[in-house]
Amino acid sequence: GENVEQHPSTLSVQEGDSAVIKCTYSDSASNYFPWYKQELGKGPQLIIDIRSNVGEKKDQRIAVTLNKTAKHFSLHITETQPEDSAVYFCAASYSGGGADGLTFGKGTHLIIQP
Amino acid sequence: DAGITQSPRHKVTETGTPVTLRCHQTENHRYMYWYRQDPGHGLRLIHYSYGVKDTDKGEVSDGYSVSRSKTEDFLLTLESATSSQTSVYFCAIGGDRNTGELFFGEGSRLTVL
Repeated sequence: GENVEQHPSTLSVQEGDSAVIKCTYSDSASNYFPWYKQELGKGPQLIIDIRSNVGEKKDQRIAVTLNKTAKHFSLHITETQPEDSAVYFCAASYSGGGADGLTFGKGTHLIIQP
Repeated sequence: DAGITQSPRHKVTETGTPVTLRCHQTENHRYMYWYRQDPGHGLRLIHYSYGVKDTDKGEVSDGYSVSRSKTEDFLLTLESATSSQTSVYFCAIGGDRNTGELFFGEGSRLTVL
């Protein structure tokens, strides 16, 4: 089955700086790569996703890049703000996000220092 | 917010007792999932359902069973709870081939003493 590795497990950055979280996956058939943000006491929420036919996708301060050859993808957050503090999960699926669910990384605790 | 309700939200039980967690959705979505979240392990899929009475195992299904008798309800049962099943359990819906997005409930925190 799919295996997703995520690094780092904890990331502390100064407010206003950029943050980068990296993930690698094992199954070359995977074609859907979402990123979820989990705030304390809540369920994860999708913030951005990318499919294997695209190399990069941006949404305001958030961007995701995908390197299919190397089987890794990254989340980039620019101009970080206090509300960016949360746990972030990457995930992968070979069914386009279909019925057998997603395989998640172990999460990155992002801390924004004032 | 997606209409997903998990119950109970918190439960403390003893080893060996049966436990059932309920997930109720108002979105009429075909696919439903149960994940568990543990420190150092992230989110791991327990079971999922792709329709009424259609379920399948996920990565960590041992010790768990599920049932889906109606589109809106997906039950997760621990027949005989163990301390290793102490966790936060999340129900999710979604994941169709067009959007892929999963919508998660607020979670159910289970403590097995």
